[in-house]
Amino acid sequence: EDQVTQSPEALRLQEGESSSLNCSYTVSGLRGLFWYRQDPGKGPEFLFTLYSAGEEKEKERLKATLTKKESFLHITAPKPEDSATYLCAVQAWQDYKLSFGAGTTVTVRA
Amino acid sequence: ETGVTQTPRHLVMGMTNKKSLKCEQHLGHNAMYWYKQSAKKPLELMFVYSLEERVENNSVPSRFSPECPNSSHLFLHLHTLQPEDSALYLCASSQGLTGANTEAFFGQGTRLTVV
Repeated sequence: EDQVTQSPEALRLQEGESSSLNCSYTVSGLRGLFWYRQDPGKGPEFLFTLYSAGEEKEKERLKATLTKKESFLHITAPKPEDSATYLCAVQAWQDYKLSFGAGTTVTVRA
Repeated sequence: ETGVTQTPRHLVMGMTNKKSLKCEQHLGHNAMYWYKQSAKKPLELMFVYSLEERVENNSVPSRFSPECPNSSHLFLHLHTLQPEDSALYLCASSQGLTGANTEAFFGQGTRLTVV
């Protein structure tokens, strides 16, 4: 069974204080690893898909990286508007299910 | 309209009521999903439809009944729910189920409270 573990559970940052979120996964053949952002009371918003170890993707202050066992979401010089819960999910080859982690809630103080 | 739209956004229902959640996607996708999100727990996949045919019923109680009349619309019919069914119900769609372009795009969700 696919497993996804995200850490830390919560992260409090000062504006401008860069940090990283971790997503460790176990899957029988990774087809894709997905990052989402979720604001309170709203649905998850798609950020990135990573397909193979060594791949990196960036969007504004966010950068996602992938190894064979984990993914990191780096937040560079965060702003208060980056406050959200960040979700990680994996999909195995020839499987349509996304297995989600419980998320990391990031709070950025001005 | 764009994206995935869910109605209603909030719903309070008694345990003996019958209600329906509606989802509509304007992305031209072929697959649609229902997820349940409870506090502090990962998203749980409930149902999957591909080209209007159900391909997954993830051991969901029969008090939840999905309906997919076409590739753009998805419903979740609710009856005789329990208080533990209170959660955020999310609809999502994707281009396909496997292969490329399987990123799921979510609606804003329906916050359901069962009293």
